[in-house]
This record gives sequence, structure tokens and C-alpha cells, in this order.
Amino acid sequence: QVQLVQSGAEVKKPGASVRVSCKASGYSFTTQYIHWVRQAPGQGLEWMGVINPSSGSASHAHKLQGRVTIIRDTSTSTVYMELSSLRYEDTAVYFCAREAKGFDYWGQGTLVTVSS
Amino acid sequence: DVQMTQSPSSLSASIGDRVTITCRASQDINNYLAWFQQKPGKAPKSLIYAASNLQSGVPSKFSGSRSGTDFTLTISSLQPEDFATYYCQQYNSYPPTFGQGTKVEI
Repeated sequence: QVQLVQSGAEVKKPGASVRVSCKASGYSFTTQYIHWVRQAPGQGLEWMGVINPSSGSASHAHKLQGRVTIIRDTSTSTVYMELSSLRYEDTAVYFCAREAKGFDYWGQGTLVTVSS
Repeated sequence: DVQMTQSPSSLSASIGDRVTITCRASQDINNYLAWFQQKPGKAPKSLIYAASNLQSGVPSKFSGSRSGTDFTLTISSLQPEDFATYYCQQYNSYPPTFGQGTKVEI
């Protein structure tokens, strides 16, 4: 069955970077785009970016331009999202999601806390 | 960016009620509209894609419809497990955008 398994929670200081992984299984990794979506505490869902695992080409939300990097490792079927220059307002749960029939499968979420 | 205006932001309902949630897109998004259910501390769960197509394993009490740029999620008979927050999302154009959410409470 399709599964997206994310890395564990992180606590980072302002200005640092964080890297969250999303390991896919149960389907052909290179055939479906992977998106990243985040949710600040008590807030709604915010799209961050997407990667085409086949080509490695990625696109990001305009407001995160320059701070977010999304890459993939086809040998391990894993997508990585790195967010740099962390701010307090980046505290959120970060989700990866596969796009096939819409965003049909989601990872379990990774809590990133930015705290001094 | 396409704005998704979801209403109501919250509603109170009883077991067995028929519930309707609406999402209006700021421009034509064709049928590229999805609905998600989210429970506290959990990832969103996809219910419907392409406006009216039920995801595999989702019970038929959930249904979706479209009228122009207005989209509707209907729960035909609310059950205890349906109390959650529901989001719409357009994925017709980048960036994909979400509605603000509707919290369904007892």
C-alpha cells in the first residue's frame, strides 16, 4: 500500500536550517509529484512547494523563495525539504503529499519548532 | 493566486444531520477541486478529488458537486467520526490554494 513516512520532530533556533525527509513506498516513486504543505498551530494549510521525482525539477511558493529547497533521492525513494533562515513563524507541522488523484496520500507530519 | 472562500467557518450539527459546506473559487478552476477531512493531530485525509470523485475507501455519505466556481461538500448523515475540520483545495493552477477550513462540531 502507498505510504509516505516522514522524519521526526525538530527543534531549531532562529536563523538555523531544518531538513525534513519523506520516504515513499508502495508505488513507483518517479511517476507522481510530491508536494510539501505546512500548518502553523491552530491555522490552516499552506502549500510550500512541489517536486517532480522523475526530473528533479522543483517549484516553490513565492513567499518562501530563496529559503526552501526540495530535492529527491531516487535510490531511496525519498524527498527532502530544507527550510533555511528559520523564523519563529516557521513553527508548524510540515506534511508531504503525493499528487495522483489530487493530493491523495499524505505523510504523518513533522513538527518543526523554532525556539531560542 | 486563486482565492478559495469556504463557508461556514464552523457549524454545529447533530448525529444524523445532513451537512453542507461550500467553497467558492475566485476564478475558473475547472473541476480541479478536492475536499479533505482533518482531525486534531492528524494529517489531512483526502475525501474527494476532481470535484465529485470519491477517493477509494471513503464512504458514500460524502459527496461533492460543482456549479460554476461554487463547490459543495455534503455529508448525508453525520456520524460521530465525522466531527472534524474540512478543507477545500484547488489544484488547477499553481500555487495550489486551500480554503480557510470548516470546523464541524456537535
